[in-house]
Amino acid sequence: SSELTQVPAVSVALGQTVRMTCRGDSLRTYYASWYQQKPGQAPVLVIYGENIRPSGIPDRFSGSSSGNTASLTIIGAQAEDEADYYCNSRDSSANVLFGGGTKLTVL
Amino acid sequence: HLQLQESGPRLVKPSETLSLTCAVSGGSISSSDYYWGWVRQPPGKGLEWVASVYSRGTTFYNPSLKSRVTISLDTSRTQFSLKMGSVTAADTAVYYCVRQGIYGDFGRCDSWGQGTLVTVSS
Repeated sequence: SSELTQVPAVSVALGQTVRMTCRGDSLRTYYASWYQQKPGQAPVLVIYGENIRPSGIPDRFSGSSSGNTASLTIIGAQAEDEADYYCNSRDSSANVLFGGGTKLTVL
Repeated sequence: HLQLQESGPRLVKPSETLSLTCAVSGGSISSSDYYWGWVRQPPGKGLEWVASVYSRGTTFYNPSLKSRVTISLDTSRTQFSLKMGSVTAADTAVYYCVRQGIYGDFGRCDSWGQGTLVTVSS
């Protein structure tokens, strides 16, 4: 099916490591991209491709993939990382897919 | 530095047509390296892809919206547009224009407009 599944919410202690996952059949063929969205703001691309960070994205953000699962990891989470995170990809019919989003709370 | 800016009516009546335009500056809308698209987000909900258009005219639509949506590109004005007909309250959302990759990177949205809230209400 052409869907991407994310856990609705995760929490992490300040300075600790958190991993968010995204599952979907399309991820066996296409890379996921990850977006950070803070309240009232547009999403920002933080990871794409095999593990590429756009200019200006801190190196504590990293991505990985295995089978039908893509992961976004934040090593040493900061207070400013508290946000909603969305994964997305495409499917074989050239549809753009988005996961439902994960709300990250930094404790 | 690429900039995308949405514009259009903020309030649309039910059953009427929603029309939005995205002005592109700081980059070429005629580039063969990108698609241009629309993504929307209902209040308090997640992101949903609406449609995409390529510089050569190729278009792709979300299957659930395809019958009501048209996306087009105006290279002379460096802008692209979205029209959605027969709108209902369910179409109330923040609409973002985006720049997308091509081929395997078609899903990647590397630049976003600030978004514009469109409310469908009588």
